[in-house]
Amino acid sequence: AQSVAQPEDQVNVAEGNPLTVKCTYSVSGNPYLFWYVQYPNRGLQFLLKYITGDNLVKGSYGFEAEFNKSQTSFHLKKPSALVSDSALYFCAVRDSNTGANNLFFGTGTRLTVIP
Amino acid sequence: GAGVSQSPRYKVTKRGQDVALRCDPISGHVSLYWYRQALGQGPEFLTYFNYEAQQDKSGLPNDRFSAERPEGSISTLTIQRTEQRDSAMYRCASSLWYGGSEKLFFGSGTQLSVL
Repeated sequence: AQSVAQPEDQVNVAEGNPLTVKCTYSVSGNPYLFWYVQYPNRGLQFLLKYITGDNLVKGSYGFEAEFNKSQTSFHLKKPSALVSDSALYFCAVRDSNTGANNLFFGTGTRLTVIP
Repeated sequence: GAGVSQSPRYKVTKRGQDVALRCDPISGHVSLYWYRQALGQGPEFLTYFNYEAQQDKSGLPNDRFSAERPEGSISTLTIQRTEQRDSAMYRCASSLWYGGSEKLFFGSGTQLSVL
């Protein structure tokens, strides 16, 4: 079975500081990993994905994430946080071995960037 | 269209009534997904289509839930004999690619409240 854990419900960071939103996963095969962001009253927006290749992937709005197979993690990072980054962030995984196309989402982490 | 459109935005119904939720995907998008999101949780997969074919309905909770996409564009998720536990945000997403869950475009959702 596949699962995703986002251990922090809430992350607060000062504007201009680096931010990290944590995600760990569990799959039987090779993972496809994703980050989505949800702004108030909006649908989820795709940020970035890891399918294969370079462990460090870069995405929208200056975000990046690093795939770490040994730690089964895919933490989201940004070098300098903006107030406009404040939103709800979801990590998601798809197990490449199951043949299923659906994504399994974590419970989300609310990021607040303090001016 | 410019984005994935869902209607109605809010739906309040009485227990036992049937409801139909509509999703209009981005023009030309091949695959269409339905997810359900409870408060404080991540989206949970319900079903998905490639064109008009329903490829996976393993996430539908029971036989009161059904979905169709008869012409490979607009989709309707129908819930019969609604129950209070059906209350949630129902999200639709579409993708340009066949089975392409790698980058989903989400609508703003339909908030269903069953009284």
